[in-house]
Amino acid sequence: GESVGLHLPTLSVQEGDNSIINCAYSNSASDYFIWYKQESGKGPQFIIDIRSNMDKRQGQRVTVLLNKTVKHLSLQIAATQPGDSAVYFCAEISSGGSNYKLTFGKGTLLTVNP
Amino acid sequence: EPEVTQTPSHQVTQMGQEVILRCVPISNHLYFYWYRQILGQKVEFLVSFYNNEISEKSEIFDDQFSVERPDGSNFTLKIRSTKLEDSAMYFCASSELPLRVGANVLTFGAGSRLTVL
Repeated sequence: GESVGLHLPTLSVQEGDNSIINCAYSNSASDYFIWYKQESGKGPQFIIDIRSNMDKRQGQRVTVLLNKTVKHLSLQIAATQPGDSAVYFCAEISSGGSNYKLTFGKGTLLTVNP
Repeated sequence: EPEVTQTPSHQVTQMGQEVILRCVPISNHLYFYWYRQILGQKVEFLVSFYNNEISEKSEIFDDQFSVERPDGSNFTLKIRSTKLEDSAMYFCASSELPLRVGANVLTFGAGSRLTVL
């Protein structure tokens, strides 16, 4: 049967280190891939996205890499800070006819140790 | 910075009762969404709404669920007869532009936690 409860992958890093969070996706036809940050008790917060025709995109302290060959998405956070501690979700935007839908993947709990 | 506002922040209800979760989207936004997140699990799409009608809904959004934009500012999610498995955090989101332009147009609210006993 189904398991219940918290089964998030976790990543624990030291403050100042770089973090890499990974995600596998299944829909090759998705138009955008996105990373969200969710702090405790809050809604998902957009971090960065990447179009499906790109391999890499950089933001402030964050980089998203897209490997379409193996359907893999990663989020790199440089110089991780305690405020980066949160659950990180990958997501994708895909179209079903005329409508576009945002679908979330599994989250990863990032804990930054001071 | 404009926010999506959700009320109540937490509601406890008995199984079989009707629940209405309310959302005030950002004022110039045209596209509205409800998502839910069962504790410890991923965020799941429920329904999207545009031009006063449902654009798309997931298999979770069965006949027990309905959405309404009654007065041009509120966007509500009603669960007619709650079940234990409806216990979750429900997130409202809104955007000015459609999702085909990217996800950065979408703003989520802080969520309403529903506990069904």
